[in-house]
Amino acid sequence: QVQLQESGPGLVKPSETLSLTCTVSGGSINTYYWGWIRQPPGKGLEWIGYIYSSGSTNYNPSLKSRVTISMDTSRNQFSLQLSSVTAADTAVYYCVRVVQLMYFDLWGRGTLVTVSS
Amino acid sequence: QSALTQPPSVSGSPGQSVTISCTGTSSDVGSYNLVSWYQLPPGTAPKLMIYEVNNRPSGVPDRFSGSKSGNTASLTISGLQAEDEADYYCSLYTGSSTFVFGTGTKVTVL
Repeated sequence: QVQLQESGPGLVKPSETLSLTCTVSGGSINTYYWGWIRQPPGKGLEWIGYIYSSGSTNYNPSLKSRVTISMDTSRNQFSLQLSSVTAADTAVYYCVRVVQLMYFDLWGRGTLVTVSS
Repeated sequence: QSALTQPPSVSGSPGQSVTISCTGTSSDVGSYNLVSWYQLPPGTAPKLMIYEVNNRPSGVPDRFSGSKSGNTASLTISGLQAEDEADYYCSLYTGSSTFVFGTGTKVTVL
């Protein structure tokens, strides 16, 4: 079955760029939407954005100026970059599969990223 | 887009039923049947429980059901079991091509 796995640094310094990759195994990354969601410690879920296999993207307006989601179909991976991070960006970051822009049917286990000097 | 409102916590004894509400406005929940529900058990990947208001993915027990009335969607767990203890979130795909989540509800099995 299709599985998602997040990878990337667990610690990022303030003002730097957070970079995470999601590897999709057991199925092709083509013909689906893929996205990122985060959960700060003790807080609720926040949608970050999504990308389609064509490369089209859409982002949360509150993060849009700092977010880039990209895709590498040859590696069956998609990535998140969040620039100019602050402590408020400390969170568990989940990669997800988005079904027809309606719901998230597959989730990775999540990875904790801490922003600290 | 503001977060949808959920009760912080609900609880019940094994075998009982609990209902989690997810309240929005006439512009979001009231206008779209694209409400989904997610279970976040501690230490494991989140899981889709309900999509498009009242559809259950394969593998989700039929004691989980969804509904909507006006600006409020609901998730009901009938015959509560210990393994149902987790955080639950509703979500909605909005007319502005974005997603919004609920504030989250902790379900405790007494």
